[in-house]
Amino acid sequence: GNSVTQMEGPVTLSEEAFLTINCTYTATGYPSLFWYVQYPGEGLQLLLKATKADDKGSNKGFEATYRKETTSFHLEKGSVQVSDSAVYFCALNNAGNMLTFGGGTRLMVKP
Amino acid sequence: DAGVIQSPRHEVTEMGQEVTLRCKPISGHNSLFWYRQTMMRGLELLIYFNNNVPIDDSGMPEDRFSAKMPNASFSTLKIQPSEPRDSAVYFCASSLGGGRAYEQYFGPGTRLTVT
Repeated sequence: GNSVTQMEGPVTLSEEAFLTINCTYTATGYPSLFWYVQYPGEGLQLLLKATKADDKGSNKGFEATYRKETTSFHLEKGSVQVSDSAVYFCALNNAGNMLTFGGGTRLMVKP
Repeated sequence: DAGVIQSPRHEVTEMGQEVTLRCKPISGHNSLFWYRQTMMRGLELLIYFNNNVPIDDSGMPEDRFSAKMPNASFSTLKIQPSEPRDSAVYFCASSLGGGRAYEQYFGPGTRLTVT
């Protein structure tokens, strides 16, 4: 079956630090991969996506590259801000419409 | 353009009462999803509709839970009778559907507290 594994949080960083949140997946075929972000008290919002191997998704300074050889889709940002504090979810869609989510990683950025 | 709309945003009820959560998907989207989020269990898919038809309800925890989608612009999730362990944030999401590349758009959620 499909599964997504994320690094456990919380991840605590100082402002302007480099961020990496690891995500690996298990799936047959060629899934699409997504990163969602959930700010406190809100629903999940799509942050970025990639639909095929070697694609790079990017948005708001965040990037992730679809690596089929390592079955990974790690999220990176060069310089985090306090406003990036949120929970980040990695997800895949392998067939039809259903998403398989990872457990989420809480990011806390301190000024 | 309006996003996914959910109501109420907060619901507090007593054990044994009926609870109805409502969702209006984005216009033109043909897939709708209900999720539940708790600290203990994370984000769980409860049920998925495509073109108003339930496709997968394997995540519905038990018979106390039921969901309907009478038309393309409205869905309900009902819990009867409610129990304290149903306390969670319930999200509705919609998508254009049609394949693996389509993302889901989430509503702001309904925070349910059952006392």
